[in-house]
Parts: sequence; C-alpha cells; structure tokens
Amino acid sequence: QKEVEQNSGPLSVPEGAIASLNCTYSDRVSQSFFWYRQYSGKSPELIMSIYSNGDKEDGRFTAQLNKASQYVSLLIRDSQPSDSATYLCAVFSGTYKYIFGTGTRLKVLA
Amino acid sequence: DAGVTQSPTHLIKTRGQQVTLRCSPKSGHDTVSWYQQALGQGPQFIFQYYEEEERQRGNFPDRFSGHQFPNYSSELNVNALLLGDSALYLCASSLQGVWEQYFGPGTRLTVT
Repeated sequence: QKEVEQNSGPLSVPEGAIASLNCTYSDRVSQSFFWYRQYSGKSPELIMSIYSNGDKEDGRFTAQLNKASQYVSLLIRDSQPSDSATYLCAVFSGTYKYIFGTGTRLKVLA
Repeated sequence: DAGVTQSPTHLIKTRGQQVTLRCSPKSGHDTVSWYQQALGQGPQFIFQYYEEEERQRGNFPDRFSGHQFPNYSSELNVNALLLGDSALYLCASSLQGVWEQYFGPGTRLTVT
C-alpha cells in the first residue's frame, strides 16, 4: 500500500463546475496535510494547508480533513481553465518527513 | 521578499560524474528539504537539513549527500551518477515549527 494515494486522473470538469480531488494516507500519526498545484514544467506551488479535522476555506479552495478515515480532499469551486494542472497531496509525518502522492491531473474544459 | 532560489536551472552530466546543486531558502526560513521528481511522479523526499545537520532522510543511497551552511543555504551532492538519476531536483524551505514548505524552481538534471 502506498503511503499517500491519489487517483492519477485526468479528472475533467467543465468550466464553472466544482472539482473534487481526493487523497488517502496510511500513517495514522500524520499531523499536517498540504495541497500543491504544479503546472507542467514548473515546481509545486502551495495552495492549502490543513491541520485539524473539518473544512478550511480560502477563496475558491476548500480543504477537508478526516483523520479517522485518513482522508483529505480539495474542492475547487467555479473551476477555471487556468486551474488545469496536477494537484499534489502531501503529508507531514511528524518525523520531519514529507510524503507526496503521485498527483491528480485536472483538466478544466472551456 | 525573495523566494526560494536554485542553481543551476539545467545540467547535463555523464554517467559516473559528480554533481552539486545549490539552494537558497526563502527569507526568514531556516529549514531546507531536497526532493527528486521523476516525470509523472510526485516529489520523493531525499533529506532535510536544519541547524546545519541532516535530521531526516528518505530512501536514497549514500551517493546522495548534502550540506547546510550557517546562512541556511544548502547543497545537494550526487556522486557516481546513474542514468536513473535524471530528474527534476527540488529544494523546499520552511521555518522550524511551521511546516508549510515552499519550493524553488528546481534543477533539471540529465544524465547521459
């Protein structure tokens, strides 16, 4: 079992729709969770961090964390073509080690 | 406010050679982590430096080594390069106790 799992996609959504990206992790002691956006040929850009159960909203982005189910998700409202990228889920284990998933490729169709 | 910087941008080396990559952290950050990202994969954690010491390491051989300087900048050294070392090498910085990491633009290493 991979430590951090994401569906590789591509996930295709029409412009203006809600994109839902999911991530599961295996280490129950994980403390901190991050979503990064990576455009092709570029480095990852931090877009959301979440540390406690529940929802965290920032503009069009909402991160959701459920530690009991070992599940974290990212919702993108009013999706735009410029949101088309690979979204990486990252988990901080508490032992100074960050584990990334392989990423979900999102395509927003105009 | 300067972000994370890395040099060089691109590098081409031959099998068996050695390479050094450099990273300067975001202003105010004191912790540097290095990652290897192969095409189509997520970043793989190599190691993290804090207070000039390596305090955590991923599943990478001893050919991969690093250093952190008193000004918090860091180097990644790779010896005896293999074709499989071709990848994007990413540096990320953070502040101790605040676990959000910010990435530099990366160094694209090609081993021929």
